[in-house]
Amino acid sequence: SAVISQKPSRDICQRGTSLTIQCQVDSQVTMMFWYRQQPGQSLTLIATANQGSEATYESGFVIDKFPISRPNLTFSTLTVSNMSPEDSSIYLCSVGTGAGSYNEQFFGPGTRLTVL
Amino acid sequence: AQSVAQPEDQVNVAEGNPLTVKCTYSVSGNPYLFWYVQYPNRGLQFLLKYITGDNLVKGSYGFEAEFNKSQTSFHLKKPSALVSDSALYFCAVRDGNRDDKIIFGKGTRLHILP
Repeated sequence: SAVISQKPSRDICQRGTSLTIQCQVDSQVTMMFWYRQQPGQSLTLIATANQGSEATYESGFVIDKFPISRPNLTFSTLTVSNMSPEDSSIYLCSVGTGAGSYNEQFFGPGTRLTVL
Repeated sequence: AQSVAQPEDQVNVAEGNPLTVKCTYSVSGNPYLFWYVQYPNRGLQFLLKYITGDNLVKGSYGFEAEFNKSQTSFHLKKPSALVSDSALYFCAVRDGNRDDKIIFGKGTRLHILP
């Protein structure tokens, strides 16, 4: 398994500002993912963060709104840009272990974002 | 495209009784199936997975799940529920032939009544 930490754990932000969320893993991992979980909803994949290349975004998510960095195999950041109240959500970092698709993903504790 | 359905938004079970949380899936290739649990203000925790082999898989905290290929189901079960099992449960699927992303169900909230 992998131990994942996220900073901040929660934040309250003003409309129009940006917030950068950090994700740190205790071991080197190939695949890192960013999810959004809106209140009472399931998880929606925002993007896959690849080390050494551009992140791969899912339909409905764009780099200008959610820029991602992946400088090494243990760290990634997600920025929520020009925030609006609709961005209020829990943002979760996740990692895949091993190279096979049969491997489960592990999740960080999440960042609870409230936009006023 | 792969998909996963959890038909129940909420399940209520008396403590000590058996519990079942339902999940059905759809993939074009071989299904890789997962269950996760989310406690309040916590991230998701992995419970168990089915990849191949025995249809009944055992996981953490006494949970188990049964893979049924003909019914395309992967229901989560526990013989005797505890109040501490109250949480949000997510079923997830990946198409094993495509090395694709994991798709999560909408979640089922489990309430264990003392």
